[in-house]
Amino acid sequence: DGGITQSPKYLFRKEGQNVTLSCEQNLNHDAMYWYRQDPGQGLRLIYYSQIVNDFQKGDIAEGYSVSREKKESFPLTVTSAQKNPTAFYLCASNPTGVHEKLFFGSGTQLSVL
Amino acid sequence: RKEVEQDPGPFNVPEGATVAFNCTYSNSASQSFFWYRQDCRKEPKLLMSVYSSGNEDGRFTAQLNRASQYISLLIRDSKLSDSATYLCVVNIAYSGAGSYQLTFGKGTKLSVIP
Repeated sequence: DGGITQSPKYLFRKEGQNVTLSCEQNLNHDAMYWYRQDPGQGLRLIYYSQIVNDFQKGDIAEGYSVSREKKESFPLTVTSAQKNPTAFYLCASNPTGVHEKLFFGSGTQLSVL
Repeated sequence: RKEVEQDPGPFNVPEGATVAFNCTYSNSASQSFFWYRQDCRKEPKLLMSVYSSGNEDGRFTAQLNRASQYISLLIRDSKLSDSATYLCVVNIAYSGAGSYQLTFGKGTKLSVIP
């Protein structure tokens, strides 16, 4: 079945540690996105990529980094510079960009130890 | 003015009731509109795209009012399984011409009570 796979489902980070969240899609979509959701809040865009080897900052990119070396994969690294990383992280994709509906992965809950 | 605004609720309604949500958006050039449903600690799932002429899918009806810059979602004959948070999504223009970003409202929480 086609879809978006995020892993792990739960992740714990120690102070000063970088962690990487995985996102893989087999939908052949060009565009991929990372969102952060805090309790009771909407989704906020961290980074997005519309094509391989290219990505753009979203509204809250500070303390995060991404890469897009393959069309199927868009990993997100939460660096030690992100001082409040505890949140629910959602990866999404759509065929070509912002005028189309988003398909979401099942999310990763990141918590700080 | 916030770009996409929703009443956070919660809306507590009895089974069988009709409930309506509104969502206002700031940018008159917006072209795409969606309603998503999100259950607690799950990913959002597309409920409906919203078209200019309005559209219906079973018990759900979506409307777009470009003049007043809002979209609405009507749920008829509410079921217990409709309990969730409903997210409004609009593509909002930003920076240069032709640049858009899909922007989420904070969601409206619905609880359907037996």
